[in-house]
Amino acid sequence: QSVLTQPPSVSGAPGQRVTISCTGSTSNIGAAYDVHWYQLLPGTVPKLLIYANNNRPSGVPDRFSGSKSGTSASLAITGLQAEDEADYYCQSYDTSLSAWVFGGGTKLTVL
Amino acid sequence: QVQLQESGPGLVKPSETLSLTCTLSGHSISPFYWSWIRQSPGKGLEWIGNIYSSGSTNFNPSLKSRIIMSVDTSKKQFSLRLTSVTAADTAIYYCARFSDWLGYFDVWGRGTLVTVSS
Repeated sequence: QSVLTQPPSVSGAPGQRVTISCTGSTSNIGAAYDVHWYQLLPGTVPKLLIYANNNRPSGVPDRFSGSKSGTSASLAITGLQAEDEADYYCQSYDTSLSAWVFGGGTKLTVL
Repeated sequence: QVQLQESGPGLVKPSETLSLTCTLSGHSISPFYWSWIRQSPGKGLEWIGNIYSSGSTNFNPSLKSRIIMSVDTSKKQFSLRLTSVTAADTAIYYCARFSDWLGYFDVWGRGTLVTVSS
């Protein structure tokens, strides 16, 4: 069980908006550690999507955005495209485990 | 353009040692942190550990007793050795660059599947 909880799956039609939640606790997200988001597609290089809660690396479309509040964070994807179909993971640091930790991952299906 | 490439045996026998190397191209290996991360079949990502270009390390406590990491700056390579492997260590192993300023992994390799089986 991951200390960061994500929904196993989300879905949306092309053009729609979807959000993926990442729920932690006072030993990770709630302890003011930043949250980062990654996109994983089988057979491809994993990609950093959002760093430090709400910042996009160069080259990431502004359709992707992140937010953080309290012990939770969210990734929002607007204008959903077929190419967005992938697995998404949140990541932070956990003081109780003394480890960098990931969420369990969310599979996004574009209908 | 920064590129990372994992290499090593795809099959390891139980109780033996898993050995992987990550080769860096298009970037200097110093002064940066480098990481190993794995994804077991059907499961999420797990951070294994970090190594600085000077050789200092930081490991996941859950795996710490079985991890050995090293870096060869002349070859622009860093390596992972995981001892006493079991079937639970079967996974895709990724190497990545770690940004210690904010704690994220900004460049990843494609990953390599390692299966533990007799």
